[in-house]
Amino acid sequence: GIQVEQSPPDLILQEGANSTLRCNFSDSVNNLQWFHQNPWGQLINLFYIPSGTKQNGRLSATTVATERYSLLYISSSQTTDSGVYFCASRASGGSYIPTFGRGTSLIVHP
Amino acid sequence: NAGVTQTPKFQVLKTGQSMTLQCAQDMNHEYMSWYRQDPGMGLRLIHYSVGAGITDQGEVPNGYNVSRSTTEDFPLRLLSAAPSQTSVYFCASSYKANTEAFFGQGTRLTVV
Repeated sequence: GIQVEQSPPDLILQEGANSTLRCNFSDSVNNLQWFHQNPWGQLINLFYIPSGTKQNGRLSATTVATERYSLLYISSSQTTDSGVYFCASRASGGSYIPTFGRGTSLIVHP
Repeated sequence: NAGVTQTPKFQVLKTGQSMTLQCAQDMNHEYMSWYRQDPGMGLRLIHYSVGAGITDQGEVPNGYNVSRSTTEDFPLRLLSAAPSQTSVYFCASSYKANTEAFFGQGTRLTVV
């Protein structure tokens, strides 16, 4: 299967700061999602973005499939953004097994 | 619209006991899957199903059984629980294997 690497592993921000989270994958993919796991453990869909750019409020994501990476942008961070951000991808070619990165742990201080 | 519903939310088992984690979705999704989440490991796929009557193994299938008799339900069975199966379990579904996945709220399982 493909390898998915996320960076940075940990991030501490002051409320109001901006940040960029990165997801690199080792092979061509046809499926990429970003999730937020909140402090209560719930996995929340952020973006389904196998290619291109999407925006949802203060969050946006860009996937450049040809260069095998995806970026998640968080602007004007809030304490409720704290948690772990995961990207997950599935290789092109019909694999049914997705691979999750190990996540970026974000703490936003007031 | 309930989405993906998992029960129970918490469970404590003794080593050797068996139990079934329930997962149901009401979105008419073909693809359903089970993951376990361990500290520092992200999520790993246990078993998946591409439709009723069809299941297959994921990355970490040992110690778990699944079946898919209906489109809506995809239960995960632990036949003889072991402490190594202490984890948080998530069920997910998607319309097709390669479309957006939606997750249940998770089951925190402790095996003592």
